[in-house]
Amino acid sequence: GQSLEQPSEVTAVEGAIVQINCTYQTSGFYGLSWYQQHDGGAPTFLSYNALDGLEETGRFSSFLSRSDSYGYLLLQELQMKDSASYFCAVRDSSYKLIFGSGTRLLVRP
Amino acid sequence: DTAVSQTPKYLVTQMGNDKSIKCEQNLGHDTMYWYKQDSKKFLKIMFSYNNKELIINETVPNRFSPKSPDKAHLNLHINSLELGDSAVYFCASSPSSWAETQYFGPGTRLLVL
Repeated sequence: GQSLEQPSEVTAVEGAIVQINCTYQTSGFYGLSWYQQHDGGAPTFLSYNALDGLEETGRFSSFLSRSDSYGYLLLQELQMKDSASYFCAVRDSSYKLIFGSGTRLLVRP
Repeated sequence: DTAVSQTPKYLVTQMGNDKSIKCEQNLGHDTMYWYKQDSKKFLKIMFSYNNKELIINETVPNRFSPKSPDKAHLNLHINSLELGDSAVYFCASSPSSWAETQYFGPGTRLLVL
């Protein structure tokens, strides 16, 4: 079967750094994506890793280790507006995007 | 200048009814998708079309029928609505079926009573 595991909830303080982990088991793998979704909103694309290593985009970074079937999203200098759900997603061998169950991030003042 | 739009935004209907949700993208993308997000926020792909051709058809009841009149539009028709169909339905598009980024519409919140 196909599965992606990520923590259901993470809480952090404004200005801090938080890491959201994702482990996956899928039929084929073409890349790991991260999406952000605010309550009542639509998922929006944050980052994509096809190769091992760290990709940085402003305050957000994403890491992938294909040998460990593992990745993470790192959020730095947390702001209140970062409170949202974060989904990892794997593109499988049929190019479908398989989503994890999402991690709800709560940023406290 | 909305990129991916859906109508209606909210849909409340009785069990057994038939309803349609419309989606349009003005990004010039070749590929469009329908996703279902349940009450636990689990997001699952239902269908995908590439240049009006069905390329992904997940295990979805055949009461759900997508239609793509052209590559900028992808509609979803649902027959004989059931309570379990209550969810948020998202349309999305991407430049191609292998593109790394998908652009989601605002969602249609369907409540079946």
